[in-house]
Amino acid sequence: GEDVEQSLFLSVREGDSSVINCTYTDSSSTYLYWYKQEPGAGLQLLTYIFSNMDMKQDQRLTVLLNKKDKHLSLRIADTQTGDSAIYFCAVDQTGANNLFFGTGTRLTVIP
Amino acid sequence: NAGVTQTPKFQVLKTGQSMTLQCAQDMNHNSMYWYRQDPGMGLRLIYYSASEGTTDKGEVPNGYNVSRLNKREFSLRLESAAPSQTSVYFCASSLRPVGTSGTRTDTQYFGPGTRLTVL
Repeated sequence: GEDVEQSLFLSVREGDSSVINCTYTDSSSTYLYWYKQEPGAGLQLLTYIFSNMDMKQDQRLTVLLNKKDKHLSLRIADTQTGDSAIYFCAVDQTGANNLFFGTGTRLTVIP
Repeated sequence: NAGVTQTPKFQVLKTGQSMTLQCAQDMNHNSMYWYRQDPGMGLRLIYYSASEGTTDKGEVPNGYNVSRLNKREFSLRLESAAPSQTSVYFCASSLRPVGTSGTRTDTQYFGPGTRLTVL
């Protein structure tokens, strides 16, 4: 399988930017995803990036991919209290029919 | 469209009891998955079904069985529950198996989860 790592916790003040980081081990990953999980709910796809891209922007979300370092990040601009949730990084792997998930980063937004 | 639905939402079992978790999707997806989520460990794949009529083991299949009843439904069975199976179980589906479609992503859509406690 593939190892996907994230830090467990992040706290930011409302209005600041949040940056959630993720590292992975398999350089053959084609698609890399960010999912959001609110309390008591399932996982909701936020965004994804194809491996031949360095950056993808979608409204307040910016995904950066450093394929050389196998590092993925999610930046949330103007973070709001509604952004408080657990954020999961997930990657695919050539030949594997499933996604590999990180441990999740719990983002807490302080009003 | 309801997307991916799971039943039950909560369940408490005693060690040794059996139960079946149900999952259904109405998106005409070919592939379905069962994951478990444990604190500090992310999601781990139990079983998946790349297409109707096929099932394969994932990372943590021991103690579980699955049935792909038809294209819509994929159930997960615990034959003899153990405390180590206390977890939150998520079902997911995608149009095609993840990682097989070249330049097109095969996004997985998740159900709301089943919280299972085994005493």
